[in-house]
Amino acid sequence: NAGVTQTPKFRILKIGQSMTLQCAQDMNHNYMYWYRQDPGMGLKLIYYSVGAGITDKGEVPNGYNVSRSTTEDFPLRLELAAPSQTSVYFCASSRGTGVTNEQFFGPGTRLTVL
Amino acid sequence: DAKTTQPTSMDCAEGRAANLPCNHSTISGNEYVYWYRQIHSQGPQYIIHGLKNNETNEMASLIITEDRKSSTLILPHATLRDTAVYYCIAQGAQKLVFGQGTRLTINP
Repeated sequence: NAGVTQTPKFRILKIGQSMTLQCAQDMNHNYMYWYRQDPGMGLKLIYYSVGAGITDKGEVPNGYNVSRSTTEDFPLRLELAAPSQTSVYFCASSRGTGVTNEQFFGPGTRLTVL
Repeated sequence: DAKTTQPTSMDCAEGRAANLPCNHSTISGNEYVYWYRQIHSQGPQYIIHGLKNNETNEMASLIITEDRKSSTLILPHATLRDTAVYYCIAQGAQKLVFGQGTRLTINP
């Protein structure tokens, strides 16, 4: 099992450019999540999905879009990059069944917007 | 979702037990206490969770007070590789809300 994979590892964008951060999991998890982490801070939830075709906003969704066409993939789209989106982005997944379920995190994508 | 309070930083000697406290005085009856850690710039790693009973696994022990208003994560024999930021999260729904955590430094 590769677990949760993210591409790319690093990316530099110019203001106004767009890009898609890729996330995939091979654990057949129903739930998937996108977080961002600014320097010295905890993670903040951007969007999450409870299954294919279902997505919902988290704490900081502005400036981002997501889609979930398959169980395995959960891409995050930045349409008009801004310096405030400079951050490390983590994708995670969990089973989603039962009262509790631990989240498994990917290695992150470090994004710089100049 | 209940707010948690943790010390900003802690130090522990290698080989000793590291005890990380967490206050969650507003936790509700259906909220679990989760602990994750983040080593350097890696993605967070799940450690342990509990509702009201003490829990132990291969990584750590979790002690929850009887009134559930606080808990302690115990790393029984800390190693240098346990240096990380530790997050205590009180959560009932599927979403996790991360605070700033405790930066634990294990000293040789």
